[in-house]
Amino acid sequence: LAKTTQPISMDSYEGQEVNITCSHNNIATNDYITWYQQFPSQGPRFIIQGYKTKVTNEVASLFIPADRKSSTLSLPRVSLSDTAVYYCLVGDDSNYQLIWGAGTKLIIKP
Amino acid sequence: GAVVSQHPSRVICKSGTSVKIECRSLDFQATTMFWYRQFPKQSLMLMATSNEGSKATYEQGVEKDKFLINHASLTLSTLTVTSAHPEDSSFYICSATARGRGNEQYFGPGTRLTVT
Repeated sequence: LAKTTQPISMDSYEGQEVNITCSHNNIATNDYITWYQQFPSQGPRFIIQGYKTKVTNEVASLFIPADRKSSTLSLPRVSLSDTAVYYCLVGDDSNYQLIWGAGTKLIIKP
Repeated sequence: GAVVSQHPSRVICKSGTSVKIECRSLDFQATTMFWYRQFPKQSLMLMATSNEGSKATYEQGVEKDKFLINHASLTLSTLTVTSAHPEDSSFYICSATARGRGNEQYFGPGTRLTVT
């Protein structure tokens, strides 16, 4: 059973900021939150990982509230090439992130 | 860094034959390798986890005698689908974790298997 819950799909437009929220009510103390992106017929690609508060890298930001029961992936100024499925996973070094939920299919329109 | 390759990228085989898929970590030592299967428009399903030099741990419902996994070295794992059937047609993806880099998984590009 997946440890996370995400919206099945989302639409947005080029140039907009997109926020995808993931629920993980039963997150454990040692669990990290990791987001992956997957294009059709390709392996997933790591986007960002965090434990608490805010993490930012060159492609995205990850917001994690104090209770850590949810997280939000923020993609700034999306383009058509950001159309993909985005997966949120939780896990630590001992159990990794092996149970994949359905992911969020993000469609960016021109 | 942290590149994982898979070979072949696509394979078509006849029912009853066996197919071997290779997964290599090209620029790092993989402490653990994972094999996933993904059917169209579905999420990834973990098949097995393997550490170098030890037997793979299979997920419930995955037949170990049908999906043979050999983790021969810190950079190579192979998945052999034996006596393939059309229902084994799927997208097979491997991933690896790197020593000293926590739990981030580095994924291969996947192998599309079609059994006719």
